[in-house]
Amino acid sequence: DGGITQSPKYLFRKEGQNVTLSCEQNLNHDAMYWYRQDPGQGLRLIYYSQIVNDFQKGDIAEGYSVSREKKESFPLTVTSAQKNPTAFYLCASSFTGTGTYEQYFGPGTRLTVT
Amino acid sequence: KNQVEQSPQSLIILEGKNCTLQCNYTVSPFSNLRWYKQDTGRGPVSLTIMTFSENTKSNGRYTATLDADTKQSSLHITASQLSDSASYICVVTLQTGANNLFFGTGTRLTVIP
Repeated sequence: DGGITQSPKYLFRKEGQNVTLSCEQNLNHDAMYWYRQDPGQGLRLIYYSQIVNDFQKGDIAEGYSVSREKKESFPLTVTSAQKNPTAFYLCASSFTGTGTYEQYFGPGTRLTVT
Repeated sequence: KNQVEQSPQSLIILEGKNCTLQCNYTVSPFSNLRWYKQDTGRGPVSLTIMTFSENTKSNGRYTATLDADTKQSSLHITASQLSDSASYICVVTLQTGANNLFFGTGTRLTVIP
């Protein structure tokens, strides 16, 4: 999984609770991304960050929050406002600049909210 | 509208057989197209990348083709193995913008002995 770690692999929470998913990379990548994967759907971008202390909303940011205090870390908080939080969450990272760089994905966290 | 469509949605083949997966896209302006392999419960891993000027790229038993005129790509798997069982995702990148990746829904391949 190319130097990107996500923890935990499985996470269970009760409805109404906030939960934070961890993502760390040691690839010296500037950009980091969070995706959500649901059965039968393509990956959907939640948030991305191209530089420390800056991040942008993706296509489905509602009910999620992120921070980027360090280059290596990009945690995702799933808040109680997210209506359907149960999903497989993937973190990715890449270089930025001219040209299009490959995104390297972490192993994912499967979140189940009951 | 920028879209990536893959077919078939799922496929079952016998070990040792060949198969071809399809990807059609309407993404423009096109930069490149990648095929990713995603094992169950794992993150996707890149197999190949092709730019506008490339029409074939191989990675071992995997061969990807690209027809930029018809906006179609295929991934051909030769002499399939049980370990090829996975989802294969086509990803098309726009030339500009930070949020510039478009993902297909994937083809779920199952190789049976």
